[in-house]
Parts: sequence; structure tokens; C-alpha cells
Amino acid sequence: AQSVTQLDSHVSVSEGTPVLLRCNYSSSYSPSLFWYVQHPNKGLQLLLKYTSAATLVKGINGFEAEFKKSETSFHLTKPSAHMSDAAEYFCVVSDPSGTYKYIFGTGTRLKVLA
Amino acid sequence: EAGVTQFPSHSVIEKGQTVTLRCDPISGHDNLYWYRRVMGKEIKFLLHFVKESKQDESGMPNNRFLAERTGGTYSTLKVQPAELEDSGVYFCASSQESRIQETQYFGPGTRLLVL
Repeated sequence: AQSVTQLDSHVSVSEGTPVLLRCNYSSSYSPSLFWYVQHPNKGLQLLLKYTSAATLVKGINGFEAEFKKSETSFHLTKPSAHMSDAAEYFCVVSDPSGTYKYIFGTGTRLKVLA
Repeated sequence: EAGVTQFPSHSVIEKGQTVTLRCDPISGHDNLYWYRRVMGKEIKFLLHFVKESKQDESGMPNNRFLAERTGGTYSTLKVQPAELEDSGVYFCASSQESRIQETQYFGPGTRLLVL
């Protein structure tokens, strides 16, 4: 069965410092992994996705994630946090068994301090 | 291009009442998914339509929930009668294809509160 674990429920960083949001996955197949972001009172927006083409994936707003099979990880990073990055972030794996429904992590709330 | 839209954005009802949520997918997207996030928990899959056919409704919690997608366009999710534990945010998503690498596009969600 597929699953993702987001290791931190809350992360606080100062503006201008690096962001690291951690995600580990479990999959018996070669996974498709996604990061989504939800700003307050908004819908879920795709940040980036891994589809086996390249292990380092670049997304929108300066975010990137690296797929590491040996560590079963897909951590999200950004070199310099901006106040507008404050949101909740979800790591997602696509279930290959039929409908390709998404399986979500529990989410990480990112707080950016001025 | 318009995104996925959901109506209403918020709904407050009393236990035992009926509520119907609506989702309009992106035009041309045959695949439509419903998800739900109960407070404090992760977002969980409810069901998947391909056009008007239910492909997978394994996530539907019980028979108080009824989803339809007549004509393969918009979808409705009815909760009847609503219970306290049905409170949460209901998300709809759509995609063009049904495959492992496919991106799902999400609506803003409907926040349901059952009192």
C-alpha cells in the first residue's frame, strides 16, 4: 500500500532563511509524488511533482524537491523564505491501483517570522 | 481557463438536515474526485468518477452520502441526514486523464459544519 509521512506538523522559519519540509513515502511501485500548498481559505495548488524523469524537481515560487529512493524521501526546500510562503503544505502520493486517487500526508503548517 | 469551482463555500446545518455540495470540474476533464478533510485529520479520498460512471467509491463513509454526476459534467455530493462527524472541508478535484502521473486540479473546498 502507498503512504506518505510528513515528519513535522509545524515548521517556523525566519524570513530569508531556508525552508525544509520533510516527507517520506512508502510504495511498492515507482511512485508519483506531489507537493501541494494551501493558503488560508484557498484551494490546493500544485507546487511540483515527481514523475521519474528527474530526481530534482523544480516547482513554482522557488520551491524544489529531491526524490531519494535510497531514503524513500521527497523533501521540499526553498533557499529563502518569504512571508507569502506561510501556508499548509501537503505531500501526496498517487495510488497506482486503479483510480490513481491521491493519498495525502497529514500536512505541515509553515510559519514565516518577520 | 476557469478552474474547479465548488458551491457553497460554507454551509452550516443542524444534525439531521440534508446538504448538497456541488462541484464543477475544469471543462473537458473526464475524471472527477471528491476528498474530505475532517478537522485534525488528513485529506482522504471519497470517490472517483470517470464521466458519469463511479469508478471507485471505496472512501465513502456510509450510505448517508450519495454522489452523482449526471451527464458527466458537474457533480453533487449529498449528505442525508447529516451527523456531527460529517463536519469538515470537502474538496473536489478534476483531471484530464486517469493515470499515475496525472495532476489533479482542486477546487477551494466547501466548509461544512454540522451542529
